[in-house]
Amino acid sequence: DAGITQSPRHKVTETGTPVTLRCHQTENHRYMYWYRQDPGHGLRLIHYSYGVKDTDKGEVSDGYSVSRSKTEDFLLTLESATSSQTSVYFCATGQQTNQPQHFGDGTRLSIL
Amino acid sequence: KNQVEQSPQSLIILEGKNCTLQCNYTVSPFSNLRWYKQDTGRGPVSLTIMTFSENTKSNGRYTATLDADTKQSSLHITASQLSDSASYICVVSAQAGTALIFGKGTTLSVSS
Repeated sequence: DAGITQSPRHKVTETGTPVTLRCHQTENHRYMYWYRQDPGHGLRLIHYSYGVKDTDKGEVSDGYSVSRSKTEDFLLTLESATSSQTSVYFCATGQQTNQPQHFGDGTRLSIL
Repeated sequence: KNQVEQSPQSLIILEGKNCTLQCNYTVSPFSNLRWYKQDTGRGPVSLTIMTFSENTKSNGRYTATLDADTKQSSLHITASQLSDSASYICVVSAQAGTALIFGKGTTLSVSS
């Protein structure tokens, strides 16, 4: 496995609060991704990174920001959480874009 | 619009039986097609990845086929086991990009 650790694994918070999710990898993969998974939808890309301090938006980036200050860490921040951001968030990594991505086990986030 | 459609949405089979899951896509230009297995509460795990020149690829009891002309793929599971109970996700990659288009998955339940 790619050695991906997501933290926290579960979080409950209130609307309007800031939330930061962390993804840590031990495989030195170049690419890192944040997805959300919701019932009735396939996984959707929020943001991705193609190197330290190099990030770009995905399909559903509104309301989210990311940072990657080290190869091994990729942070996802919800500046002011809303109930529509209740979801399961997955981090993934990959060495090249034409190779399989390796996923963490997700963070279940509930915003009340 | 790039889309990935999977069928059936859910499937129940008896242990030891075979089954086939379907994936149709309208992604263009096409780069590769991937099948992932996602156990409940876990992240997706890669089963196979195929480019347009590959018709068949196997991974143990899992065999994926690809028809790039009709834009269809299937995942065949042989001699099913209880541990095959999971969601199977078809993912298509557009050429020269990091964006992956995820299907909604087929939920397979294997009963004894």
